This record gives sequence, structure tokens and C-alpha cells, in this order.
Amino acid sequence: NAGVMQNPRHLVRRRGQEARLRCSPMKGHSHVYWYRQLPEEGLKFMVYLQKENIIDESGMPKERFSAEFPKEGPSILRIQQVVRGDSAAYFCASSTLPGTATYEQYFGPGTRLTVT
Amino acid sequence: DAKTTQPPSMDCAEGRAANLPCNHSTISGNEYVYWYRQIHSQGPQYIIHGLKNNETNEMASLIITEDRKSSTLILPHATLRDTAVYYCIVRLISSGSARQLTFGSGTQLTVLP
Repeated sequence: NAGVMQNPRHLVRRRGQEARLRCSPMKGHSHVYWYRQLPEEGLKFMVYLQKENIIDESGMPKERFSAEFPKEGPSILRIQQVVRGDSAAYFCASSTLPGTATYEQYFGPGTRLTVT
Repeated sequence: DAKTTQPPSMDCAEGRAANLPCNHSTISGNEYVYWYRQIHSQGPQYIIHGLKNNETNEMASLIITEDRKSSTLILPHATLRDTAVYYCIVRLISSGSARQLTFGSGTQLTVLP
């Protein structure tokens, strides 16, 4: 059973370009979470999605960042007009249905975005 | 979710047990204790979780005090590959609670040869 997959693993963008980060959840998981880890800092929650729905985007910056999880295909985290401060590791996690039972989030290997 | 306090760093000799403490004195009755670790530059890895009783799996044991105000993660025979940042997270599991994990600073465990 393949784990959470993220691609690309490394992404270099110039200031002003767009970055697209992809996440394929574990088989059977329909809940996806995106986290960001700035250099020398801890992981911070960004957004939580189910298929075709954004459930909680309280951690997303107000501008330039968006996320989707379509009915078919991977979840996409999109950063428009990147700036140097966007340089970070972006991790995706997936889980089964949360709520009445305990559940774990399984993380992917991350995408390291470098903005030059 | 309740706040947790962990020592910033610990060392452990290879082959010995690593005991990582976590204080969560404000934990409520229906909050679980979760442990994750992050080996350098990798995605966090789930280790174990518990509510009241002690738990054990193939990776570690979790000891929760009777008053639930603190817990200890035990790696019984630490290896060099266990060097990582270990995060103790307390969270409510219910249909109305937040879904995300809130990571603190964690404990940097260094296993020494």
C-alpha cells in the first residue's frame, strides 16, 4: 500500500512565478491536510480538504495561496507570484474519516520550494 | 487542544531506552495524547497515541500518568536512526473538533554511538 506521495520533491521558482505542489493521499484516504515548515521552524497547518470541498483554510495566507482536492486526481496547493518568504518545505498528510474514532495522519515526504 | 511542554533536547546512548517526557497539565478528559517524530528533512511519522491506558506498539510504548497530566514516550532500544525531533500533541477527537495537528517545538533526541 503506497504511502502519501508528493511531487515534485524539489521545486525552484523565480520570484513572481507560480508554484504547483501535488499530493496523492494514501489509498482509501479521502481527507488531505497541507502543512508548511519554514526554515528552522515547526510545522504549521495551512488547509484541510475533503474531495471537492475545503473544510478548514484557517492557516492559509489570505492572498496568493489556494488549494483544491478534485473528485479525480491529486490535491493541489497553488502559490501564485511566489516571493522569497514562500521558500519552505510543504508537507501533505492524509487520513481516513476523522470524528468518532481516533485516527492518524500520514505524511508525505514533502516538497521543498526554493524561491530565487 | 491542550498545550504541551517538552524539553528542547535529550541525548541517549545507542541500545539504551530513550524516555521522552511530555507535560500536558491542562488536558481534558476526552483529549488524546499523540506522538509524532520528524527525522531530519522528512515528513512527520506517526508513532503512537493513547487516552488513559498505557499503550505499546512495534515502535514504542506510551505511559500516561493516572491523572493524565503527563506522559512518557519510551523507545526501548534506541538506534542511531531514532535521532529525530519528537512531538507530543494533545488533541480532541470528535466530529466537531479541529482536524489539524498543532505542532510545538518538540524534543530533539540525539542517539549517540
